[in-house]
Amino acid sequence: ETGVTQTPRHLVMGMTNKKSLKCEQHLGHNAMYWYKQSAKKPLELMFVYNFKEQTENNSVPSRFSPECPNSSHLFLHLHTLQPEDSALYLCASKGAVGTEAFFGQGTRLTVV
Amino acid sequence: TQLLEQSPQFLSIQEGENLTVYCNSSSVFSSLQWYRQEPGEGPVLLVTVVTGGEVKKLKRLTFQFGDARKDSSLHITAAQPGDTGLYLCAGANPSGTYKYIFGTGTRLKVLA
Repeated sequence: ETGVTQTPRHLVMGMTNKKSLKCEQHLGHNAMYWYKQSAKKPLELMFVYNFKEQTENNSVPSRFSPECPNSSHLFLHLHTLQPEDSALYLCASKGAVGTEAFFGQGTRLTVV
Repeated sequence: TQLLEQSPQFLSIQEGENLTVYCNSSSVFSSLQWYRQEPGEGPVLLVTVVTGGEVKKLKRLTFQFGDARKDSSLHITAAQPGDTGLYLCAGANPSGTYKYIFGTGTRLKVLA
């Protein structure tokens, strides 16, 4: 138990569906992250939020839309995804600059 | 762009053997973390190294941070099947932002 919870753990969606991934942390961290992990590829940083403000968008397609209503919650809204978007999506939170990140268990997304 | 290159990419060894995994960059990091990830799960933090030249031990695992804080190594002594997994190094941007990037990963398999 890392203190970071992601739901759902598994998601299968069609290319025309709209779904959302949720991440919650109660570690008192102010930074939250979305990463994408595809098979045999390095972890790719997607978005970074610090105190609810987006500080990084790593050229992510607009079919991925993040939302951070407060420092404890982070969402990733998905719409009109492609099969190549199938991957493990990981959420992480982090405290002060220079400290380590703590990860949720991930959402295994399959786009059909 | 800060890149963290890990080597080797894949490693398959017999139980009882020793191994070393390397994490290299051309950039300086304020700290480096090592994580281990099991299939379908989020990365779990193993250690943080902060000071150049620092050596940390965690049972059979020895972590070293390079003097210039640009590289790190993970040495496992007498590997066991339970050490099997994906090993990731990660670094925090020293400029003070919350950008947190991961290495390319080393997939280790220890055969009984």
